[in-house]
Amino acid sequence: DTEVTQTPKHLVMGMTNKKSLKCEQHMGHRAMYWYKQKAKKPPELMFVYSYEKLSINESVPSRFSPECPNSSLLNLHLHALQPEDSALYLCASSQEGARNTEAFFGQGTRLTVV
Amino acid sequence: AQSVTQLDSQVPVFEEAPVELRCNYSSSVSVYLFWYVQYPNQGLQLLLKYLSGSTLVKGINGFEAEFNKSQTSFHLRKPSVHISDTAEYFCAVSEKGSGYSTLTFGKGTMLLVSP
Repeated sequence: DTEVTQTPKHLVMGMTNKKSLKCEQHMGHRAMYWYKQKAKKPPELMFVYSYEKLSINESVPSRFSPECPNSSLLNLHLHALQPEDSALYLCASSQEGARNTEAFFGQGTRLTVV
Repeated sequence: AQSVTQLDSQVPVFEEAPVELRCNYSSSVSVYLFWYVQYPNQGLQLLLKYLSGSTLVKGINGFEAEFNKSQTSFHLRKPSVHISDTAEYFCAVSEKGSGYSTLTFGKGTMLLVSP
């Protein structure tokens, strides 16, 4: 199983809503990532978790709150977002440490903030 | 820090013609190199990767790429494209030995295959 599964595929939320994006992998990977991709742009790294601990935060606003409840799951909690936060949110996973070579991506969640 | 330059934002080509998508990178440390493909409204799929060894790497769907260390390039090629190859292609690097696969992407090249 080389899949990274993201839910939901599409999400529309108001600026006062609270929602969560979910990501799951069963490849035994211990590093998980959130990327944000605006239209016609490349993905940009947001967060990296390693062994369920936050290792990298690329100066992401606090209205985005990541969580890694266990080695297979990664969540992104959203609160008080702005329309400019509308984007494709991609989750990825990889081996960690010396065995790390490549990242496997999910299909993404298309988020629209209204 | 690393940077990736994809020289063409869009490459139009006719079906069954060969294609080359260009990628150059800059890094002060050793890197792994990747090509990912993104179909409309989809995630990223790994086409191929260069980690070490032979500089010519073969990937899925008939694509191949050649790593040239002196020119810091990693160009992607396919001898005969299909309509279904129409997609966005991203070249990316990650730092070797960092322990993570944190990717720095180029801006992407849109491959447009027409009949």
